[in-house]
Amino acid sequence: GQSLEQPSEVTAVEGAIVQINCTYQTSGFYGLSWYQQHDGGAPTFLSYNALDGLEETGRFSSFLSRSDSYGYLLLQELQMKDSASYFCAVRGAYTGGFKTIFGAGTRLFVKA
Amino acid sequence: DTAVSQTPKYLVTQMGNDKSIKCEQNLGHDTMYWYKQDSKKFLKIMFSYNNKELIINETVPNRFSPKSPDKAHLNLHINSLELGDSAVYFCASSQGTGLNEQYFGPGTRLTVT
Repeated sequence: GQSLEQPSEVTAVEGAIVQINCTYQTSGFYGLSWYQQHDGGAPTFLSYNALDGLEETGRFSSFLSRSDSYGYLLLQELQMKDSASYFCAVRGAYTGGFKTIFGAGTRLFVKA
Repeated sequence: DTAVSQTPKYLVTQMGNDKSIKCEQNLGHDTMYWYKQDSKKFLKIMFSYNNKELIINETVPNRFSPKSPDKAHLNLHINSLELGDSAVYFCASSQGTGLNEQYFGPGTRLTVT
């Protein structure tokens, strides 16, 4: 089967750095993605990792360790607008093909 | 220019009714999806179509039937609506069936009373 675990909530202050972890279990691994969703909005794509290592996109970075079945999203220089839910998503093998499953989401609260 | 659009944005209906949600994407993508997000924000895939062919069909009640008339459209029809169907339904699209990047529509908030 497939499963993902991520913390339900994280709180940090403006200007700080926060790391949101994601551990996964999947039969066949093909990539880990991160999505951001503001209240009342739609999920928007942030990053994708298929290979081990760190991918940096502006203030956001994403890391993957396939041997540990683990990844994280790193948000630097936090801003109030970063308050949102963050979902990790894994693409794994599935009867007949591939399937993407999403974690339950981590609610990030950024305080002034 | 809206990339992925859904109609309606809000849908309030009574138990037992039949309703449809429409989705269109103008990104030229070949794969489209329907997701259900419940009140706890859990996002679960329901269906996926690649080039108008059904490739993922999760364990959802038969009352849910997707239809893809062409690559740019994926509609969702729901029969005999139940209270538990209340949720936000998101349409999404991507190029290929890979995970790289999915573009989500604004969502349709369905409330069944």
